[in-house]
Amino acid sequence: GDSVTQMEGPVTLSEEAFLTINCTYTATGYPSLFWYVQYPGEGLQLLLKATKADDKGSNKGFEATYRKETTSFHLEKGSVQVSDSAVYFCAPLGGISFGAGTTVTVRA
Amino acid sequence: NAGVTQTPKFQVLKTGQSMTLQCAQDMNHEYMSWYRQDPGMGLRLIHYSVGAGITDQGEVPNGYNVSRSTTEDFPLRLLSAAPSQTSVYFCASRPELIVVHEQFFGPGTRLTVL
Repeated sequence: GDSVTQMEGPVTLSEEAFLTINCTYTATGYPSLFWYVQYPGEGLQLLLKATKADDKGSNKGFEATYRKETTSFHLEKGSVQVSDSAVYFCAPLGGISFGAGTTVTVRA
Repeated sequence: NAGVTQTPKFQVLKTGQSMTLQCAQDMNHEYMSWYRQDPGMGLRLIHYSVGAGITDQGEVPNGYNVSRSTTEDFPLRLLSAAPSQTSVYFCASRPELIVVHEQFFGPGTRLTVL
């Protein structure tokens, strides 16, 4: 079946560092892809999405490009802030179940 | 729009007790679901519903019941609580089963079973 593989954490960075979280997918077609973020003590919320190949989703300084050739949807941010400390989930197709996500901690 | 709401926010139960976790959405979404989140396990799907009167099992349905009598409400019932059900429970909704749409999550219910 369709699935995603997401880089495991935890990831600890200093403020203003560059962040990349890898995500690759396996699918029979070309599904919509999503990144969700969970801040401490909260539920998940959509960070960005892309609905077709070569689409770039962006929000809050984060970007991810839907790359059909490499079946990837890596999340990137050029300069992280302490407020970006959260758990990030590359959403599987249909959002049926989510993996453990990648815990990112940004130090001041 | 309140989005997806869940009550209670926190709950402590004793083994064997029953309770209902409430979930409601005001976005007229057809698809609703319940997840549990455990450390290192991610979010696992318990039950879901594609519309009023229609429910189905997810990945970890044992020990839980659901019903969907209205579009807005999707309660989760724990029949006889066990310590293994200590977890954080999230309700989510999206417009329909088709996955081009994002899911909207509630704030969660933190359940401890002693």
